[in-house]
Amino acid sequence: EAQVTQNPRYLITVTGKKLTVTCSQNMNHEYMSWYRQDPGLGLRQIYYSMNVEVTDKGDVPEGYKVSRKEKRNFPLILESPSPNQTSLYFCASSAGHHFSYSNQPQHFGDGTRLSIL
Amino acid sequence: AQSVTQLGSHVSVSEGALVLLRCNYSSSVPPYLFWYVQYPNQGLQLLLKYTSAATLVKGINGFEAEFKKSETSFHLTKPSAHMSDAAEYFCAVSEGAGNNRKLIWGLGTSLAVNP
Repeated sequence: EAQVTQNPRYLITVTGKKLTVTCSQNMNHEYMSWYRQDPGLGLRQIYYSMNVEVTDKGDVPEGYKVSRKEKRNFPLILESPSPNQTSLYFCASSAGHHFSYSNQPQHFGDGTRLSIL
Repeated sequence: AQSVTQLGSHVSVSEGALVLLRCNYSSSVPPYLFWYVQYPNQGLQLLLKYTSAATLVKGINGFEAEFKKSETSFHLTKPSAHMSDAAEYFCAVSEGAGNNRKLIWGLGTSLAVNP
């Protein structure tokens, strides 16, 4: 079954304690992306990657890091989480090459709800 | 600046009634347009996509949307609402050229279906 898998689904942690949210897709997609979803603000893109070792900032990258060492995995790293990063996070992937990725449907994971105290 | 506007952050309909969720966009080039649905505690799923073929696009679960260039609109409709349609709906526009092409999201519309 084609899917995007995020872990963990829920996490409560404290300010400053480094955490990683994993994302894996089994569709051999080149393009992957991280979003955060906040009430009244919709979906905002954090980082995206067009291929292995190719990553770029989205609209709200501050406080986050990503890496793309393998095609299937795109972890989101919070080196020093703060309460304003409490949110619902989604990983997504889509087919398409460099110039056409945003024309393709995106496949989303089920989300990770992060609470940072 | 490019933008996507979903009119009405909350829409409530009765079961069996028409569903109409509005989406307007601003774009200087022909866009690609998407509607996604998010059920509670789930990620977003593609409902339908417009890619400059037919202006009336049929999607899953009985939804359809019509691209109206003159009105810069891509409203989502369903003739008869079902309880299972209660969800958050997002309109998105892909526009730009080459590697400047970008996906712009609306803020979403929460649909409630009353028995």
